[in-house]
Amino acid sequence: KAGVTQTPRYLIKTRGQQVTLSCSPISGHRSVSWYQQTPGQGLQFLFEYFSETQRNKGNFPGRFSGRQFSNSRSEMNVSTLELGDSALYLCASSLVASNTDTQYFGPGTRLTVL
Amino acid sequence: AQSVAQPEDQVNVAEGNPLTVKCTYSVSGNPYLFWYVQYPNRGLQFLLKYITGDNLVKGSYGFEAEFNKSQTSFHLKKPSALVSDSALYFCAVKTDTGGFKTIFGAGTRLFVKA
Repeated sequence: KAGVTQTPRYLIKTRGQQVTLSCSPISGHRSVSWYQQTPGQGLQFLFEYFSETQRNKGNFPGRFSGRQFSNSRSEMNVSTLELGDSALYLCASSLVASNTDTQYFGPGTRLTVL
Repeated sequence: AQSVAQPEDQVNVAEGNPLTVKCTYSVSGNPYLFWYVQYPNRGLQFLLKYITGDNLVKGSYGFEAEFNKSQTSFHLKKPSALVSDSALYFCAVKTDTGGFKTIFGAGTRLFVKA
C-alpha cells in the first residue's frame, strides 16, 4: 500500500506570497493532520480533518488554513507569507478519528520564504 | 495543559550497548503515548505506542518502551544499539481530554558510535 504523499517536496517563495501544499493520505485513511516543524519550535500541530470537517486547530494565525476533499486528500494554504513560515510541513494520516490510532507521516514539504 | 518533555537534547551511545531515550508527560485524563523516529530529510516513522494493558510495549526495529504511570514516563529502550539507529526521536501524547491533537516532545538526537 502506498504511503502518505506530499507535493511539492520543496518550495521557495517570497514574503507576501501565498502557497498551497497538498497531501494524499494512505488509501482508506480518513483523518489527515498537518504539522509545522522548525528547529526552534519543534513539531507544532496545525489542524486535523476528518470526513471533510476540521475537528481541531492549533495555535496558528488565520493565515494558515486547510481543507479536506471527499477523497480524503487535503490541502493547506498559507497566505501573506512571512520569513518565519519557513519550515518543514508534515502531513499525517490515520485510519479513523481516534486518539489511539497510529498516524503515518509523509516526507514533508520544505518551504523556504525569502 | 498537556505537555511532553524529552530532557536530553542528545544521547550518545556505543554500538552494541543498550540505549535509553527518556520521555515524561503531563496530561489530564488517560495518556496515549507514541514514539516516532525521523531520519534526515524524511518524515516521521512510527515505532510503537502504548494505549492500555501491558506496560512494556515492543515495537519496530527491536525498540521497546515502558509505561510508568507513577513516574509519568515512557522511556524508549533498545538492548543493543546499531549505528543505523542514529536519528532524531520524538515522544508524543494524546488524551481523551485533548481533542484529537497530538503533542510532541522537542526530540532527542541519538548518536550511535561504531
